[in-house]
Amino acid sequence: QVQLVQSGAEVKKPGSSVKVSCKASGGTFSSYTISWVRQAPGQGLEWMGRIIPILGIANYAQKFQGRVTITADKSTSTAYMELSSLRSEDTAVYYCAREGRMYYFDYWGQGTLVTVSS
Amino acid sequence: QSALTQPASVSGSPGQSITISCTGTSSDVGGYNYVSWYQQHPGKAPKLMIYEVSNRPSGVPDRFSGSKSGNTASLTISGLQAEDEADYYCSSYTSSSTYVVFGGGTKLTVL
Repeated sequence: QVQLVQSGAEVKKPGSSVKVSCKASGGTFSSYTISWVRQAPGQGLEWMGRIIPILGIANYAQKFQGRVTITADKSTSTAYMELSSLRSEDTAVYYCAREGRMYYFDYWGQGTLVTVSS
Repeated sequence: QSALTQPASVSGSPGQSITISCTGTSSDVGGYNYVSWYQQHPGKAPKLMIYEVSNRPSGVPDRFSGSKSGNTASLTISGLQAEDEADYYCSSYTSSSTYVVFGGGTKLTVL
């Protein structure tokens, strides 16, 4: 059974950066694709980007290009999402999710609340 | 504005059936059989309910079913139960650079 455990809540100042971790257990981490999805308060889900750890290749939604960096450490089975130049609109719960065979997410982390406030 | 269009809310009584629609374009829902549906209870992470239009993951009751016609996908829940009350999101692969797009979500109320 795959389990994804994320790091704890963060409070950040506008203009700063945040790095959220997602530690996987069960299955073979290197063979996963891990995506990051965020959800602003009272809003819907928004795909941000993904990484294929075995290849070290990341893809990003155009909206976040240049501001988000997704990495993975195979030695610790942990994926990371770093978002820079934070603004108040980035206040959201950030989820990591494992991608199933084709473009769906079958396992999700518990979510990490990132609050951006001066 | 979300890429996929869902009704904001639907409701039904216990035992009844409801259907939630998800409308996209030929670049996403209509062009590929990669539609998935997620259930989200308040304060919880989304849970996969349907993948590849109509497949149910292990453990999801067969009361949940999915289908697609043209650019519109649908999630049907039959024999509504109180625990089905939640938000539901559709998602689809898209040929745009966004890769995956979601609907705005539908709040299901069990009366």
